[in-house]
Amino acid sequence: GQNIDQPTEMTATEGAIVQINCTYQTSGFNGLFWYQQHAGEAPTFLSYNVLDGLEEKGRFSSFLSRSKGYSYLLLKELQMKDSASYLCAVMDSNYQLIWGAGTKLIIKP
Amino acid sequence: KAGVTQTPRYLIKTRGQQVTLSCSPISGHRSVSWYQQTPGQGLQFLFEYFSETQRNKGNFPGRFSGRQFSNSRSEMNVSTLELGDSALYLCASSGGQGDLETQYFGPGTRLLVL
Repeated sequence: GQNIDQPTEMTATEGAIVQINCTYQTSGFNGLFWYQQHAGEAPTFLSYNVLDGLEEKGRFSSFLSRSKGYSYLLLKELQMKDSASYLCAVMDSNYQLIWGAGTKLIIKP
Repeated sequence: KAGVTQTPRYLIKTRGQQVTLSCSPISGHRSVSWYQQTPGQGLQFLFEYFSETQRNKGNFPGRFSGRQFSNSRSEMNVSTLELGDSALYLCASSGGQGDLETQYFGPGTRLLVL
């Protein structure tokens, strides 16, 4: 079956750096997405990786290793507003998104 | 460009009733996907429509159905509601020029079944 694994919850301190990992086993691969979802709101798109390597976008970076079935989202200079759930999703060979259960990130002052 | 819109935003129904939710995608997007999200759960895929045709379907019972119109607007219907259908229903559109795969979500419809 298809599977996306990410930690359920993480805690970090304001101003620090946090890395959220995602491992996947899917039928085919057509890209990996990261979304941010604040409580009670809809997910918003953060990043898309289809080739190996690091994509940097401001304070957020996303890394992909297709051979290892692994990705991470790196958040730098954490702010209180970064408290949210972070969802990892992989597009399989049928161009269907397979979603992880999300990682709840708690930022402490 | 306007984002994805969903109506209604909130809905309260009783068991056994049916409900229809509506989604208007971003202008130019031809694909609409529907998801169910319950507290503590990830997004559960319901179905995807592209050019009025169901392209993918998740593992939900036949009580959940959908359709897409020629203007790409989509509706989903849930018949014979059960308590467990209480959830946030999200739709997402994709297929923008130069950005075919990225899904953009609407605000969701929060359904409460009593």
